[in-house]
This record gives sequence, structure tokens and C-alpha cells, in this order.
Amino acid sequence: KNQVEQSPQSLIILEGKNCTLQCNYTVSPFSNLRWYKQDTGRGPVSLTIMTFSENTKSNGRYTATLDADTKQSSLHITASQLSDSASYICVVSFKAAGNKLTFGGGTRVLVKP
Amino acid sequence: DAGITQSPRHKVTETGTPVTLRCHQTENHRYMYWYRQDPGHGLRLIHYSYGVKDTDKGEVSDGYSVSRSKTEDFLLTLESATSSQTSVYFCAISESDREKLFFGSGTQLSVL
Repeated sequence: KNQVEQSPQSLIILEGKNCTLQCNYTVSPFSNLRWYKQDTGRGPVSLTIMTFSENTKSNGRYTATLDADTKQSSLHITASQLSDSASYICVVSFKAAGNKLTFGGGTRVLVKP
Repeated sequence: DAGITQSPRHKVTETGTPVTLRCHQTENHRYMYWYRQDPGHGLRLIHYSYGVKDTDKGEVSDGYSVSRSKTEDFLLTLESATSSQTSVYFCAISESDREKLFFGSGTQLSVL
């Protein structure tokens, strides 16, 4: 079964600090790996999307990395801001499943002043 | 939210009643999706559409039906609502199945 596991489930960081979120997936090959940010009460918003051949993609203070050999991705948040408080969701599109998306359970980040 | 409108935003209904949720887009994207989001689960696909009158099932389609008679509208119907269908429902759109999704703001549905 295709699975996407994220860790940690939640974390608290101080404003201005950096943090890294992890995503492990169990099946390859995949079409692409995506990171979304979901604010409370809102729909997810796309941060990055990476194909198999890409190993890093940035969007402002967000940097996603991909290691296809170990089937891991990480999302690094630099110089966190209060507005970074949200859930971050890793999503993998599996070729074998007709490019259907499998969502991880998300990591809830709380940035404190 | 990228020209996506979900209605209603909140609904409370009783077990056994039919419910229809509407998703309207102004982006002219080909693909439209319905997801549900529950605590302890990632977003799960209910149904999706890859064109007018072209739909397919997702991983949790039992108890749900969809229709797409126009490019801009994608309807999700619960024929006979059950308490297990209490959830937050998100509509999403994309230009292709390889492109990023744009999500609506969600519909909170409570089935009592």
C-alpha cells in the first residue's frame, strides 16, 4: 500500500528560529512530491512541487529537498514567522496509481513569539 | 482561493437526508476533485473529474456521487447522509493531473 509518513506530528518553535519537517514514502516511482501549507480553517496551499529529477526547490523561506534513494523529503523553514503557524502536508503522486495523490497526515507547526 | 467557491460553508443535517455540496471555479481548469479531511487521516479523495461528464472514483467513494455538467461546476451528493460522513469537505482544481492543486475553503458538514 502506498504510504506517506510525516514527522514529527507537531512541533513548537520560537519566532526567528529554523525548523525541518520530514516526509517518508514507501512506494516509487513517483511523478512528483509536493508540500502544502494549511492554515486553520482554510484549504491547503501549494508551497513546492518536485519531480524525480529535482533534489531541491525553494519558495521564499521554504526549501524542500528530495532524496529518491532513501525515499525521503524534508521541508526547511528559515527564520520562522508567526504566520508560519500551520499544518504542513507532504503529498506524493504515484505513477503506478495513475498519478493519484497520497497525502501524509501533516505536521502541525506552532511559532511562538 | 484561486477562484474556487464552495457552498455551503457549513451545514448541519440529519441522518438519512440527502445533501449536495457545490464547487464552482472561475479558472477553467480541466480537473476537479472532492476530498474529505478527518482527524487522524490525511486528505482522502472521494471522486474526481477530468472533464465535463467525465468522473471517476477515489479511495473513499462509497456513499457519494458526483456530477459535472459544466466545466465550472462539480457537485458532490450524499444520497443518504450517515454520521460517518461528518467531515470537512474540500474541493480542488488543477490544470492537469501533474500540476499543483488549488483548494477551496472547505465545507464543514455535520450529520446528526
